[in-house]
Amino acid sequence: DAKTTQPPSMDCAEGRAANLPCNHSTISGNEYVYWYRQIHSQGPQYIIHGLKNNETNEMASLIITEDRKSSTLILPHATLRDTAVYYCIVLRNNFNKFYFGSGTKLNVKP
Amino acid sequence: KAGVTQTPRYLIKTRGQQVTLSCSPISGHRSVSWYQQTPGQGLQFLFEYFSETQRNKGNFPGRFSGRQFSNSRSEMNVSTLELGDSALYLCASSYAWDSLYEQYFGPGTRLTVT
Repeated sequence: DAKTTQPPSMDCAEGRAANLPCNHSTISGNEYVYWYRQIHSQGPQYIIHGLKNNETNEMASLIITEDRKSSTLILPHATLRDTAVYYCIVLRNNFNKFYFGSGTKLNVKP
Repeated sequence: KAGVTQTPRYLIKTRGQQVTLSCSPISGHRSVSWYQQTPGQGLQFLFEYFSETQRNKGNFPGRFSGRQFSNSRSEMNVSTLELGDSALYLCASSYAWDSLYEQYFGPGTRLTVT
């Protein structure tokens, strides 16, 4: 499975967009990009996933570059409750086994 | 609909004992995965079950085992507990084993081994 690289931490002002990058340069054609977040001591929460196209749901947008070697999770209007560790995961199709890296600790500040 | 439930939420055991943790998936979900989370190693995959069959297994010793019942509920067992087994154990369920379907995590069981 492809590995991912994320910055260890990022700050964002409340109400502003949070853009969290992820590098997955070794991704292969049948691997999905998933994003989860974990608020302290809780189970990880699903945010969004995609294969090739950009995706949007009520929580966030996922922008995947054309070569699929990197992606960006966008939280359009960050709130204090979005403070969490965000994990970018690459998952092979038909293989339901997540490898969580270290993630990015997003600090949303008032 | 109800989310993934895990019992118990907290557990204290002593070295050498064994422990069984339980996970009830979201209704209609047939795939259940287990993860161990520690401050040092992060989130690590233990195993995954689908239709009562173990499909995938992580790199954990044989002391860690699991099973899934016909109603998709799952249990994991750890025998001969070691201090290093202290961790948050998370269960996740999904509709099927296809990665097209997202996994939903439970709140976890916090195991402390003394």
